[in-house]
Amino acid sequence: EPEVTQTPSHQVTQMGQEVILRCVPISNHLYFYWYRQILGQKVEFLVSFYNNEISEKSEIFDDQFSVERPDGSNFTLKIRSTKLEDSAMYFCASSVAWGTVYEQYFGPGTRLTVT
Amino acid sequence: QKEVEQNSGPLSVPEGAIASLNCTYSDRVSQSFFWYRQYSGKSPELIMSIYSNGDKEDGRFTAQLNKASQYVSLLIRDSQPSDSATYLCAVNRIQGAQKLVFGQGTRLTINP
Repeated sequence: EPEVTQTPSHQVTQMGQEVILRCVPISNHLYFYWYRQILGQKVEFLVSFYNNEISEKSEIFDDQFSVERPDGSNFTLKIRSTKLEDSAMYFCASSVAWGTVYEQYFGPGTRLTVT
Repeated sequence: QKEVEQNSGPLSVPEGAIASLNCTYSDRVSQSFFWYRQYSGKSPELIMSIYSNGDKEDGRFTAQLNKASQYVSLLIRDSQPSDSATYLCAVNRIQGAQKLVFGQGTRLTINP
């Protein structure tokens, strides 16, 4: 069964550094998302992406964050100048439309630790 | 008022019984509703989706939606120890591939 994959599974970085989290969505999916989950808290939406542009973003997704689909398979989240509070699990998700239905399937996540 | 509200639990249910998980949402224009299962340290796994009032059954799982009461529930029949996990309710406000708003999740424990 097709799955969303993410790399790396765990990333440790120092405060102020830039990180790039990578995702390979399910191959026939056209809609891509990033969510994050701080330890012990709920899953929070960051951004959705369709047709090579951002379709919606949350208040969390400020100028520190950017997304890109650099080729036909990868979808990346870049976090510039990381802060301690960016430490979280970052989940990529993808969906395909069945009429008006958009079921989102999540990847295994990248645990980001900012020290 | 929280956008999506769930009882955090823990909810303990004996093996073989029915587990009932509840979720309320605040935005009346919400269109699509989803239940995800999340094991500790893992990612959310889609279990059920529901869009119309009434019941939707898939194997041991039944999702129930009441838009007038802004209420969605998940029933798990013949509960198994492997069903022990946190169950996340997620709501999509509008039709289309936009954000899911998640509840805090209900931690479910099935006791053998």
